[in-house]
Amino acid sequence: DVKVTQSSRYLVKRTGEKVFLECVQDMDHENMFWYRQDPGLGLRLIYFSYDVKMKEKGDIPEGYSVSREKKERFSLILESASTNQTSMYLCASSLITGAEAFFGQGTRLTVV
Amino acid sequence: AQKVTQAQTEISVVEKEDVTLDCVYETRDTTYYLFWYKQPPSGELVFLIRRNSFDEQNEISGRYSWNFQKSTSSFNFTITASQVVDSAVYFCALILDSNYQLIWGAGTKLIIKP
Repeated sequence: DVKVTQSSRYLVKRTGEKVFLECVQDMDHENMFWYRQDPGLGLRLIYFSYDVKMKEKGDIPEGYSVSREKKERFSLILESASTNQTSMYLCASSLITGAEAFFGQGTRLTVV
Repeated sequence: AQKVTQAQTEISVVEKEDVTLDCVYETRDTTYYLFWYKQPPSGELVFLIRRNSFDEQNEISGRYSWNFQKSTSSFNFTITASQVVDSAVYFCALILDSNYQLIWGAGTKLIIKP
């Protein structure tokens, strides 16, 4: 079974802190994604990566950066957390373009 | 532009009833893939099915079935004899063969009452 693991289920951070959300997949997938999910706004893509050290902006990259130093790990970084970044963050991976994406359990981040 | 519409925001049925979740998509591409995902209250998105644009065969998996009709650009999902454990938000999504990005519907919240 494909396993996508996010480092934290719940996280509370203070405004202005630098926040790291980690995601690891164990199936040698090429593509990895970070989404945020908010009530009424659905799933929105923040960044994706199609190879090691490669990244592309999604729909809402402002305030975020990513890092993919190894194929299995994709990190989302909030450079200076703000309250409007309080959300559910979902990581996903897929083998190739057009293949199904598998999701982690989600990280519910609260910025106070 | 691509779009996925799930017009039903919320559906509530009594256990053992059959229920159909609608999904209508828009694209001008000829090669694309359609998906259904389930998001239970725990939050994790669970992959249910993937269908490519050249395969209009309907699929059945236990109590779940999917009806793909290119003529109406629809990919509907039916749960037969629903159970309380089917309560979740269900998402339909589309991806083009030439693209990395999934286009998501807004989701349908399904409530199964005992």
